Amino acid sequence: GENVEQHPSTLSVQEGDSAVIKCTYSDSASNYFPWYKQELGKRPQLIIDIRSNVGEKKDQRIAVTLNKTAKHFSLHITETQPEDSAVYFCAASTGETSYDKVIFGPGTSLSVIP
Amino acid sequence: SAVISQKPSRDICQRGTSLTIQCQVDSQVTMMFWYRQQPGQSLTLIATANQGSEATYESGFVIDKFPISRPNLTFSTLTVSNMSPEDSSIYLCSVEGSGTYGYTFGSGTRLTVV
Repeated sequence: GENVEQHPSTLSVQEGDSAVIKCTYSDSASNYFPWYKQELGKRPQLIIDIRSNVGEKKDQRIAVTLNKTAKHFSLHITETQPEDSAVYFCAASTGETSYDKVIFGPGTSLSVIP
Repeated sequence: SAVISQKPSRDICQRGTSLTIQCQVDSQVTMMFWYRQQPGQSLTLIATANQGSEATYESGFVIDKFPISRPNLTFSTLTVSNMSPEDSSIYLCSVEGSGTYGYTFGSGTRLTVV
């Protein structure tokens, strides 16, 4: 089955700097890659996602890149703010519909230092 | 996206007992998914629940321990049976998001087994 790895496990950046989180996946059939943000004590929230026919997607300060050949994808957060502090999970899914299960990486705890 | 009401939000249970967690969705969804999140860990898929058929369990999870009901397209329950302290965790239900393949999560049930 699918296995998703994520690095680093913890990341600390100064406010205003950029943060990059990298993930790899094992199943070449995976074609959907969402990213979730989970604040302490709260549920995971989808922040951005990308499909395999797209190499990069951007939404304001966050962007995701995908290298399907190398089976890795990354989350980039620019101009970080204290409210970006949270645990971020990458995930991967095979199949063509939202009915297909999503496998999560182990998570990255991001701390933005004011 | 769908709004999910999950309850109870937390419970403290005696070992050997069972707890049933409920998730109610404000719209009809084909699939509902149950996850476990142990303290400081990632989300692990327990099972996928399709209305009108038996749930599909992931490796390491069995129906006798985690029976699931899915009586209609807006409701599901997960029971944690014959609990032990190792079952202490957060349990989350989720459904596919509208307009995207991203999952929406319930608020979670924090279970402590003593």
